[in-house]
Amino acid sequence: QVQLQESGPGLVKPSETLSLTCTVSGGSISTFFWSWIRQPPGAKLEWVGYTHFIGTSEFNPSLKSRVTTSVDASKNQFSLRLTSVTAADTAVYYCARIVGYFDRSGDSVGRNYWYFDLWGRGTLVTVSS
Amino acid sequence: QSVLTQPPSVSGAPGQRVTISCAGISSNIGAGYDVHWYRQLPGTAPEVLIYGDNNRPSGVPDRFSGSKSGTSASLAISGLQAEDEADYYCQSYDSSLSGYVFGTGTKVTVL
Repeated sequence: QVQLQESGPGLVKPSETLSLTCTVSGGSISTFFWSWIRQPPGAKLEWVGYTHFIGTSEFNPSLKSRVTTSVDASKNQFSLRLTSVTAADTAVYYCARIVGYFDRSGDSVGRNYWYFDLWGRGTLVTVSS
Repeated sequence: QSVLTQPPSVSGAPGQRVTISCAGISSNIGAGYDVHWYRQLPGTAPEVLIYGDNNRPSGVPDRFSGSKSGTSASLAISGLQAEDEADYYCQSYDSSLSGYVFGTGTKVTVL
C-alpha cells in the first residue's frame, strides 16, 4: 500500500525559503506524477504544483515565480521549495499523488482532467519571526 | 473570488439525502473539465470520493454520487450517517488560471 509522508521545518522566518520533502513508501516514485497542495488555517485547498521524476513540472501561476520542485528517485522522495515566504504562506502543506483515468471511450484523459488519489497527512508550516 | 463556489454548509438528519453544489464558470466546469469530490474529516487529509464527475473509487459506498450539468456539479449523499460529518470540496481544472482549482468547501452537519 502506497503511503506518503511530509517532513520539514514547522517554522520559517519571513523572506526565507520553505523546504519540504515527501517520502513515498510502498511503491515507486518514477511511475506517477506528484503534487503539493496547501491549506491555510480555516481556509480552502490550494494547488501548488506537480512534478515528475523525468523533470516535467507545472505550478500554480500565482506561485510560479517562487516555487521549485525536485524528485530524488533513489530515495523515493520529492521536494518543494518556496522562496521569499510571508505570513500568507502559513498553511498545512500536503503532498499527494495525481492520477488520470479512462473516459467512457476507454481513452486516457488529458492531464487537465486528473485528480489527487493519495494524500499525505500534511504538515503545518508557520511563517513567523 | 473563488472560481468554484460551494454553499458554506448543509445539514440533514440521519438517513436523509443531502446535495452539495459546486458552481463553476465557462473556463472550468463549463469548458467540460471533469469534477472530482473530496471529503476531509476533522484534522485529517482529504480523500477522494468521486472522480471524473461520477465515478467512485473502490471502497467508497454507493451512497455517494456525483453529477454535472452545464457550469455546475453536485455531490449527493444518501442515507446520511454521523460519520459523514466533514468538509467536502469539489475540484476541477481552470483554463484561464492554467491550474487545478478547488471549491470553497462545504461543511456537512448531521443533525
